[in-house]
Amino acid sequence: SQELEQSPQSLIVQEGKNLTINCTSSKTLYGLYWYKQKYGEGLIFLMMLQKGGEEKSHEKITAKLDEKKQQSSLHITASQPSHAGTYLCGADAWVYGGSQGNLIFGKGTKLSVKP
Amino acid sequence: ETGVTQTPRHLVMGMTNKKSLKCEQHLGHNAMYWYKQSAKKPLELMFVYSLEERVENNSVPSRFSPECPNSSHLFLHLHTLQPEDSALYLCASSRSRGLAKNIQYFGAGTRLSVL
Repeated sequence: SQELEQSPQSLIVQEGKNLTINCTSSKTLYGLYWYKQKYGEGLIFLMMLQKGGEEKSHEKITAKLDEKKQQSSLHITASQPSHAGTYLCGADAWVYGGSQGNLIFGKGTKLSVKP
Repeated sequence: ETGVTQTPRHLVMGMTNKKSLKCEQHLGHNAMYWYKQSAKKPLELMFVYSLEERVENNSVPSRFSPECPNSSHLFLHLHTLQPEDSALYLCASSRSRGLAKNIQYFGAGTRLSVL
């Protein structure tokens, strides 16, 4: 099974609408990283969460880590075409038995915003 | 601009060719990574270099050969590839693998097609 599950896999919203993307871990998280990727390009770092209940915002994007540190949500307010892309969550690999310093990633959520 | 530059952005090669991918980071980081991204799969970590030493090789076939001549540059040498090696190859760097907050910064990737 997947260590990091993202939902939904894809999402189409009308411009101006709010939306939420979820990332669920099979283990308690130490650090949770959100990235955005435009098609065929690299990942752009958005924000990192470490503490249970922590919430961070970047422009109209807000991410939160739940108290149990096993789920994170990414919320976009008043979506715009510039928000379109694939959003990936990442976590420290050592939590899942991997090497210190590595990250593992979910499969991503593809967001399309219709004008 | 993430501070990590990859060249070329696109590469088409035959199965008997030899080519190299290049990655350069201008962030003063000590760790560099090669990832493979295929459709509908999570990012796959291939190699990790820390302070110019290879510290991880995730069972990658020998037709992929990494090289890290200094902490700013990373290469991936390719030879006798297979069509299933077609993918987006991403390079990333981070300040240090031992840090608690190991944010990785990615290049724009090289889209590789093997014919």
